[in-house]
Amino acid sequence: GENVEQHPSTLSVQEGDSAVIKCTYSDSASNYFPWYKQELGKGPQLIIDIRSNVGEKKDQRIAVTLNKTAKHFSLHITETQPEDSAVYFCAASIPPNTGKLIFGQGTTLQVKP
Amino acid sequence: GAVVSQHPSRVICKSGTSVKIECRSLDFQATTMFWYRQFPKQSLMLMATSNEGSKATYEQGVEKDKFLINHASLTLSTLTVTSAHPEDSSFYICSARRDTFSSYEQYFGPGTRLTVT
Repeated sequence: GENVEQHPSTLSVQEGDSAVIKCTYSDSASNYFPWYKQELGKGPQLIIDIRSNVGEKKDQRIAVTLNKTAKHFSLHITETQPEDSAVYFCAASIPPNTGKLIFGQGTTLQVKP
Repeated sequence: GAVVSQHPSRVICKSGTSVKIECRSLDFQATTMFWYRQFPKQSLMLMATSNEGSKATYEQGVEKDKFLINHASLTLSTLTVTSAHPEDSSFYICSARRDTFSSYEQYFGPGTRLTVT
């Protein structure tokens, strides 16, 4: 079945620097890759997503890239701010198109002021 | 984005009792909702898929008689933890699938912290 690996598990950056989180997936039939931000004690918040017919998507300071051939996708956060500190999860859709997602292990991002 | 609510946000119950958690999509209709469980500092584990008007489908290893799911309307799904035990203590999160013109997105509720004493 589908498997998603996420790296790194923890990431510490200085405010203003960029942060990159990477995920790999195993099922080439996956076609939807969302990223979620989860703050302590809260539910995950959808921050950006990408579909398999697109290679890159950007929304202000956040961007996601997808390499279908290599089966990996990445989250890029530029000009990080302390409020970006949270746990970030990548996810991949589980074929067929039921909407089910499998999540990566999570990355704890700490942005130091 | 879309809004999904959960109620209650926290619940403490005694061992052997049952607890119901509600999940509502507030500004869209959701024919499909999902229930997840999350342990501290771990990822989300899918428990079951809730389909409006039909039986839920459970992931392998999840007891359907213990975790009862009802999707009574296009905006409401409920999870009932029956005969709760301390090992059922966890953070339960629902999500709702919002269908767009050509695809879908999944939005999460704020979660419910269940503590069984």
